[in-house]
Amino acid sequence: DQQVKQNSPSLSVQEGRISILNCDYTNSMFDYFLWYKKYPAEGPTFLISISSIKDKNEDGRFTVFLNKSAKHLSLHIVPSQPGDSAVYFCAATGVRADKIIFGKGTRLHILP
Amino acid sequence: GAGVSQTPSNKVTEKGKYVELRCDPISGHTALYWYRQSLGQGPEFLIYFQGTGAADDSGLPNDRFFAVRPEGSVSTLKIQRTERGDSAVYLCASSLRPNQGTEAFFGQGTRLTVV
Repeated sequence: DQQVKQNSPSLSVQEGRISILNCDYTNSMFDYFLWYKKYPAEGPTFLISISSIKDKNEDGRFTVFLNKSAKHLSLHIVPSQPGDSAVYFCAATGVRADKIIFGKGTRLHILP
Repeated sequence: GAGVSQTPSNKVTEKGKYVELRCDPISGHTALYWYRQSLGQGPEFLIYFQGTGAADDSGLPNDRFFAVRPEGSVSTLKIQRTERGDSAVYLCASSLRPNQGTEAFFGQGTRLTVV
């Protein structure tokens, strides 16, 4: 039973436009939500997180939005750049934050 | 070292053999995590160490899998009687403080192929 779901395996966006990656979760006990970015042959790299008590967190070109009632979060990247092409994982942790539950990932292609 | 180091980067083994995968965490990081990523999937939690002890091993799929961290630094993931379904990328991560999985830094992974 997948607790964190990323229903879009891939997404293509024109360079300079906004990229929106979506994620749904089922466990209302999650305390923190995270986005990781992964390039081929590398480990995941932490990108941005949001606490369950907030609805928005912004860091430069990256903004994460959380809708707790819908159990949905999204990552917005604006403007999209070629180096943003990677696999993005949505993830979540409980109060103890001792393990991270990952989604299957969305492969983002930034088109020139 | 500057980051989490995993060796070997690639390992090919025959079905039924025993393998060991090594993780060198970032110096001073007390928490260490093992994850497994199969093709087309996200990383799946296996085990979490706080110091030398396994604080949570609920993700280990069966008793063929075992991990140790005897001195609270380097960790070894051991797989006995390997099966083809064990083929995956095994990821190690470490964090400075326990129960701070949100700040975990990942290594590049060991790609295990069982033939």
